[in-house]
Amino acid sequence: DSGVTQTPKHLITATGQRVTLRCSPRSGDLSVYWYQQSLDQGLQFLIQYYNGEERAKGNILERFSAQQFPDLHSELNLSSLELGDSALYFCASSVSPGLAGGLSYNEQFFGPGTRLTVL
Amino acid sequence: GQNIDQPTEMTATEGAIVQINCTYQTSGFNGLFWYQQHAGEAPTFLSYNVLDGLEEKGRFSSFLSRSKGYSYLLLKELQMKDSASYLCAVRATDKLIFGTGTRLQVFP
Repeated sequence: DSGVTQTPKHLITATGQRVTLRCSPRSGDLSVYWYQQSLDQGLQFLIQYYNGEERAKGNILERFSAQQFPDLHSELNLSSLELGDSALYFCASSVSPGLAGGLSYNEQFFGPGTRLTVL
Repeated sequence: GQNIDQPTEMTATEGAIVQINCTYQTSGFNGLFWYQQHAGEAPTFLSYNVLDGLEEKGRFSSFLSRSKGYSYLLLKELQMKDSASYLCAVRATDKLIFGTGTRLQVFP
């Protein structure tokens, strides 16, 4: 158990709908990352928040948005869902954003994921 | 551009040694991670390299050559429970970019 929690575990919905995935980071972690993992694409970085502010953006569609709240939990909102959005969505957390250029690193701890099925 | 290459699948026998290679081309490099992921589960951290050379951690070792854009994960004394996907990930500035993973099957 990594200490990162995600809800719901499974979500089945229809095309065109909107869903919200929720993530609670490990106690003490300020940084939250969202990833999408589909069968043909591997693990794709979507977006990162640090202490409530957006820190880095990956291949996140405009139909998707996220935020990190004052209590540090995060939500990923997916709207106008398409069949291709069916995937595992992972949240990860780390202590800090990860310092570029240094020897220090911040291991990301992954939550169990939310499996989204769009029918 | 960003590109990380790993073999798609590998097989090995229980008790053997296997080496999983990863080559990368990224704009910016701040370290390379290896994660293990069992089917349907979350990735779990195995190793981190930021300097050239070998890092050993029990049965697992990871090697990095920054000049060649190359890393490998070495798994010794393979066990059945090592059957999983192994993900190579490069930290480029603030982002962690993952390869598509190598699915390792260990046979008795």
